[in-house]
Amino acid sequence: EVQLVESGGGLVQPGRSMKLSCAASGFTFNNYDMAWVCQAPKKGLEWVATISYDGINTYYRDSVKGRFTISRDNAKSTLYLQMDSLRSEDTATYYCARHDNSGYGWFAYWGQGTLVTVSS
Amino acid sequence: DIQMTQSPASLSASLGETVTIECRASEDIYSNLAWYQQKPGNSPQLLIYDANSLADGVPSRFSGSGSGTQYSLKINSLQSEDVASYFCQQYNNYPPYTFGAGTKLELK
Repeated sequence: EVQLVESGGGLVQPGRSMKLSCAASGFTFNNYDMAWVCQAPKKGLEWVATISYDGINTYYRDSVKGRFTISRDNAKSTLYLQMDSLRSEDTATYYCARHDNSGYGWFAYWGQGTLVTVSS
Repeated sequence: DIQMTQSPASLSASLGETVTIECRASEDIYSNLAWYQQKPGNSPQLLIYDANSLADGVPSRFSGSGSGTQYSLKINSLQSEDVASYFCQQYNNYPPYTFGAGTKLELK
């Protein structure tokens, strides 16, 4: 059974940093592209970043470029999101998601999410 | 960026009814479209990919159709467990992947 378990969320002040983790199990982690998708309270879904199966290629939405870094440790089957210079508008639940089998397509599996609140 | 316009924003229907949710892309996305269901308090779950392919374990009362810029999700014989928000997502042209704003489905 595919499982994605996020951790690392919480309350953080504007301008500070936070690192999210996503522990994957139930599939061969290093075969799949992975992503982070966020959802502001009572709002819709917004793609944040994607990383290729080998960690070589990364993609970001414009609003987080230069502030967020997606990475992975295939030996630990873990995905990360380093978030720097956080802003109030980054407040959201962050979901770890596995891309589809063919890569860079739909999001086949999602974690339960971790809430990040940016506030002073 | 490709804009995804989803309608209606909310929908109220009775048990056993058939409901349809629409999604329009700002340009041709060549059926590179997925639908997700998000039940209250839960994470999204994949329903449909490639516009009309049912994901594993999804009941056959769900179906997807469309082409070009116009797509739809149909739920036949609405069940109580179908109360949720539904989102479309394009993956034809990325980054960024873009989602529709969502449709909240409630029971009448």
